[in-house]
Amino acid sequence: NTKITQSPRYLILGRANKSLECEQHLGHNAMYWYKQSAEKPPELMFLYNLKQLIRNETVPSRFIPECPDSSKLLLHISAVDPEDSAVYFCASSPRDNNERLFFGHGTKLSVL
Amino acid sequence: TQTVSQSDAHVTVFEGDSVELRCNYSYGGSIYLSWYIQHHGHGLQFLLKYYSGNPVVQGVNGFEAEFSKSDSSFHLRKASVHWSDSAVYFCAVSALQGGRALIFGTGTTVSVSP
Repeated sequence: NTKITQSPRYLILGRANKSLECEQHLGHNAMYWYKQSAEKPPELMFLYNLKQLIRNETVPSRFIPECPDSSKLLLHISAVDPEDSAVYFCASSPRDNNERLFFGHGTKLSVL
Repeated sequence: TQTVSQSDAHVTVFEGDSVELRCNYSYGGSIYLSWYIQHHGHGLQFLLKYYSGNPVVQGVNGFEAEFSKSDSSFHLRKASVHWSDSAVYFCAVSALQGGRALIFGTGTTVSVSP
């Protein structure tokens, strides 16, 4: 799926700061960050609709989302913790009603 | 509170066999039900969804699912599996109201043997 691109693909961190990036070329209004830990289903972290954060899940404050425009989504991570090791998926949908989500290939974060 | 459960963690079938993956949900209001497939190392891909109307919905690659209100179920089926169907399958439920999270089940891993 090249219509939602994420970077980087793999990330290995100590206790550093880093940003994950996502861009969708589908013209969708809603964008999401999901976290998928090993052997678990994806869990919603953040949802943006038309650049507005309308659902902020209970995630650690070291995760800060940003939506500079309706096609881009960033996830800033500061001072990562080993429990943050997971695959982070960006997704988008035409509207914020979860009718059909399109997922990127994910960023695999490994915390040393 | 919405919940969704998939009772089978792992299913093994032979190529050409049929398969049914079970999904049960609980929620009192109007919802979307959907199925997603995740191949190893990839993001999830949408298979099909149900909101209303015909309880049997057709999806991509020969998959179909049947909604049952009485059983609170949305089971996924395929008549004849291919080796490429080996993947993890997630059932998902979402409240109809906008801004609600898509809640995924724990997933069923399907392994197709030649």
